[in-house]
Amino acid sequence: EVQLLESGGDLVQPGGSLRLSCAASGFALSNYAMSWVRQAPGKGLEWVAAISGSGGNTYYADSVKGRFTISRDNSKNTLYLQVNSLRAEDTAKYYCARGWYGAYWGQGTLVTVSS
Amino acid sequence: EIVLTQSPGTLSLSPGERATLSCRASQSVSSSYLAWFQQKPGQAPRLLIYGASSRATGIPDRFSGSGSGTDFTLTITRLEPEDFAVYYCQQYGGSPPWTFGQGTKVEIK
Repeated sequence: EVQLLESGGDLVQPGGSLRLSCAASGFALSNYAMSWVRQAPGKGLEWVAAISGSGGNTYYADSVKGRFTISRDNSKNTLYLQVNSLRAEDTAKYYCARGWYGAYWGQGTLVTVSS
Repeated sequence: EIVLTQSPGTLSLSPGERATLSCRASQSVSSSYLAWFQQKPGQAPRLLIYGASSRATGIPDRFSGSGSGTDFTLTITRLEPEDFAVYYCQQYGGSPPWTFGQGTKVEIK
């Protein structure tokens, strides 16, 4: 059974940093591209970043480019999102999803940016 | 960036009725790389349709997707009580960003 479990979300002050993790099970992470998608409270879905199976290609939304870094450790079957220079508008639940279009999703981890 | 516009914003229907949801792109979506998701309150999105018309694993055949280019449609032939939710389209072709529509809420009339 495919499972994705996000962790690392927290309450953080503006300008702070976090590292979000997504532990994959039930499949070999190395065989799939992976994505991060976020959802602000009461709002719609926003694509954030994606990474190829090998990790050689990464892609970002303009709103996070230069502040967020997507990476993966296929030996640990884990996807990461390093989020730096956080702003209030980054407050959201962050989901990891398998593939370019999210065939499977985790339950999300909440990032709250507030002083 | 491709902008996806979903209509209507809210669809009020009764169980058993047919639902037709629209997703219009600001420019042609490469190779019909368009997906549809269902999201219920407090839950993660669930993939329904990919490649504009292919049903994801385990999705009932009352859900169907169609369209190409800039106009796409999700049809639910007979609404079941569990189908009342928010639906999003997403394009994932060509160069990023791979954008989502703003969503259509299907509510019980």
